[in-house]
Amino acid sequence: EVQLVESGGGLVQPGRSLRLSCTASGFTFGDYAMSWVRQAPGKGLEWVGFIRSKAYGGTTEYAASVKGRFTISRDDSKSIAYLQMNSLKTEDTAVYYCTRDRVLLWFGYDAFDIWGQGTMVTVSS
Amino acid sequence: EIVLTQSPGTLSLSPGERATLSCRASQSVSSSYLAWYQQKPGQAPRLLIYGASSRATGIPDRFSGSGSGTDFTLTISRLEPEDFAVYYCQQYGSSLTFGQGTRLEIK
Repeated sequence: EVQLVESGGGLVQPGRSLRLSCTASGFTFGDYAMSWVRQAPGKGLEWVGFIRSKAYGGTTEYAASVKGRFTISRDDSKSIAYLQMNSLKTEDTAVYYCTRDRVLLWFGYDAFDIWGQGTMVTVSS
Repeated sequence: EIVLTQSPGTLSLSPGERATLSCRASQSVSSSYLAWYQQKPGQAPRLLIYGASSRATGIPDRFSGSGSGTDFTLTISRLEPEDFAVYYCQQYGSSLTFGQGTRLEIK
């Protein structure tokens, strides 16, 4: 079964850091770009950023709201994608979803055909 | 950044009726890179449509997408009870943005 499982969420104070993990199974992880999408309580979806497959150098792109504070990385040997979040703000409070691009070995942006169940991050003092 | 505006904000219909949801882009979406998602309470979104009109795997044929350029539509031909949810459009032709969502509720 194709599956994504996020972990690492929790309560963190403003200005602190947190790292989320996304563990994949059921497909060749290294062939796909992986994205993070967040959803603040009662709000809509916001794309956070993505990491391309190693075929394209594992390069990354980010939304303006998190650029310079968040970093996405991947460990293809473990089938895990990470979201390192630094200098957290109260407005970063959200459910964070890990997603898989629909098309394998694709360079550009894409639709997301697989989603994890999400992990909640609460930034509060 | 391409801004997507969905209308209406809330749509109240009865099972068996036809639903038409709109998504308008602030500039043309290249190559019709437009997707639609369904989200039910407490669940992750599910991909329904990609490339403006292609159904994702396992999606019933009562869901259809159309449009190009700046105007896109998701149509549900005959509403089933499980179709009542929030629907989001997403463009992925120039970076990536989502619309604010349309809530489809039972009348």
